Amino acid sequence: ETGVTQSPTHLIKTRGQQVTLRCSSQSGHNTVSWYQQALGQGPQFIFQYYREEENGRGNFPPRFSGLQFPNYSSELNVNALELDDSALYLCASSWDRGETQYFGPGTRLLVL
Amino acid sequence: QKEVEQNSGPLSVPEGAIASLNCTYSDRGSQSFFWYRQYSGKSPELIMFIYSNGDKEDGRFTAQLNKASQYVSLLIRDSQPSDSATYLCAVSFSGNDMRFGAGTRLTVKP
Repeated sequence: ETGVTQSPTHLIKTRGQQVTLRCSSQSGHNTVSWYQQALGQGPQFIFQYYREEENGRGNFPPRFSGLQFPNYSSELNVNALELDDSALYLCASSWDRGETQYFGPGTRLLVL
Repeated sequence: QKEVEQNSGPLSVPEGAIASLNCTYSDRGSQSFFWYRQYSGKSPELIMFIYSNGDKEDGRFTAQLNKASQYVSLLIRDSQPSDSATYLCAVSFSGNDMRFGAGTRLTVKP
């Protein structure tokens, strides 16, 4: 167990809807990164938050947005869901933007 | 495009053998290299990281890095059936943009 938690564990949405996923970082970690992992692929970097500010973003459209709170927990919001958004969404926490990241259990999103 | 490439496998080895997993990357500026293990339906679990050329050993695992050849590998000695999983290679270019390969599926047969 890494101490990183995510909710919900599973989610089913329909095209066009909006979704919010949540992540609590490991105790003492102030950096949260979000990843999307499609079936059979490696995780793809969405963005990273450090001390409540976005600190880097991958090749994802603006309908993917996020927040980090003062307690360093984080949210990932996806608007206008598309079928291709179906994936495992992972958050990973680290200390001070460190590269040694520890993953939570993930949220599996299915878009119908 | 900064790419990380792995053979998708499956790689099958008998119990007790050495499993060798390979990864190449395209950006010479890469600084940090990671191996994660991912069991089916679970999230990635960090096994090892390596920053300098050469070998780094941790128990049955050895990571090898050759920056000149842009190549990183993971050796698993005395492979066990519980090592059966997908192994993900990850490369950090700038500290906030970790790139993962698609993973190599390893099966260790009893």
